[in-house]
Amino acid sequence: AQSVTQLDSHVSVSEGTPVLLRCNYSSSYSPSLFWYVQHPNKGLQLLLKYTSAATLVKGINGFEAEFKKSETSFHLTKPSAHMSDAAEYFCVVSGSSNTGKLIFGQGTTLQVKP
Amino acid sequence: DAGITQSPRHKVTETGTPVTLRCHQTENHRYMYWYRQDPGHGLRLIHYSYGVKDTDKGEVSDGYSVSRSKTEDFLLTLESATSSQTSVYFCAISDRSNTEAFFGQGTRLTVV
Repeated sequence: AQSVTQLDSHVSVSEGTPVLLRCNYSSSYSPSLFWYVQHPNKGLQLLLKYTSAATLVKGINGFEAEFKKSETSFHLTKPSAHMSDAAEYFCVVSGSSNTGKLIFGQGTTLQVKP
Repeated sequence: DAGITQSPRHKVTETGTPVTLRCHQTENHRYMYWYRQDPGHGLRLIHYSYGVKDTDKGEVSDGYSVSRSKTEDFLLTLESATSSQTSVYFCAISDRSNTEAFFGQGTRLTVV
């Protein structure tokens, strides 16, 4: 069975400092992995996706993530946080090869301090 | 945004009443999903559909049913609403497996 664990429920950074949101996954086959962002009272927006191509994936708004099979990790990073990055972030793994189900982590709330 | 419309966007209902939420897409995507979002739980899959009249249960399907009679519409019904079903419900669509899904804006349901 597939699962995903976000290692921090809450991360706080200062504006202009790096962001690291950690995600570990478990999958019985080569998964697809995603990061989504949700701003307050909004829907979910895809930040980036890994689907077995390049292991370093670049997304929108300067975010990127690296797929590390040996560590079963897919951590999200950004070199310099902006106030507008404050939101909830979800790491997601594809549930199986033929249903399209997505399995969500519990989310990480990113706070950006001025 | 992908062409996904959820209705209603907000609803307050009484315990024991049936409630139907609608998801309408204009993308002609094969897969449609209903998730609920609750604090500390992320999004949990209720039901999903992989084609017209083809549906299956997710991890939190008890108390919910779905129907998909047309490609573009996926209905979620709470057969007899309970306070534990107070949540934000999201519909999502995707065009194939192992790829990203696109989400609607959500429906905030309160059961009193």
